[in-house]
Amino acid sequence: DAGVIQSPRHEVTEMGQEVTLRCKPISGHDYLFWYRQTMMRGLELLIYFNNNVPIDDSGMPEDRFSAKMPNASFSTLKIQPSEPRDSAVYFCASRTQGLGETQYFGPGTRLLVL
Amino acid sequence: QKEVEQDPGPLSVPEGAIVSLNCTYSNSAFQYFMWYRQYSRKGPELLMYTYSSGNKEDGRFTAQVDKSSKYISLFIRDSQPSDSATYLCAMSTTDSWGKLQFGAGTQVVVTP
Repeated sequence: DAGVIQSPRHEVTEMGQEVTLRCKPISGHDYLFWYRQTMMRGLELLIYFNNNVPIDDSGMPEDRFSAKMPNASFSTLKIQPSEPRDSAVYFCASRTQGLGETQYFGPGTRLLVL
Repeated sequence: QKEVEQDPGPLSVPEGAIVSLNCTYSNSAFQYFMWYRQYSRKGPELLMYTYSSGNKEDGRFTAQVDKSSKYISLFIRDSQPSDSATYLCAMSTTDSWGKLQFGAGTQVVVTP
């Protein structure tokens, strides 16, 4: 199994630009999570989906952030417009209900907003 | 106050020593307890998973949960330089459907 796939792995953009992060969960997993990791705040859950439906988006910091999951094998996290404080590593994780609370993380996207 | 507290370290130990890591938490509803290992510039990977109280052992790793004290621990025996990483505790309730609360992570450095 290829594991959780994220793209791009690195993104450098200028303030005000739109940023789209992509995630392909492990095949057969019905939960998908988006996290953000910074030195100051650690690992924070932004939003998660179950069977492609957003369940809890209370961690999404602002309206500038949006996430979609059009099908079981693809999800996007969009930031528009981006700001320097959005610079962080963004992780996608997936799990299936039959494996307890085990979440499998992708390699992350390292975002730098100048 | 955060729901999950974890000392960020760094914790430096010589090769072969026992590494002791811990987290405290405030939410008595937490039932699932996990330890993740994160190497530099990588995603976290699940190391140990425990439901409710008790101990669990897997090779050189032992996880302990003391719900009465709201305290969990991870021990690494015979530590190796390859154990150098950040270790994050995580926990969730039975009705959170996978919504994990993570600790800040403890950086561990095992020196040869």
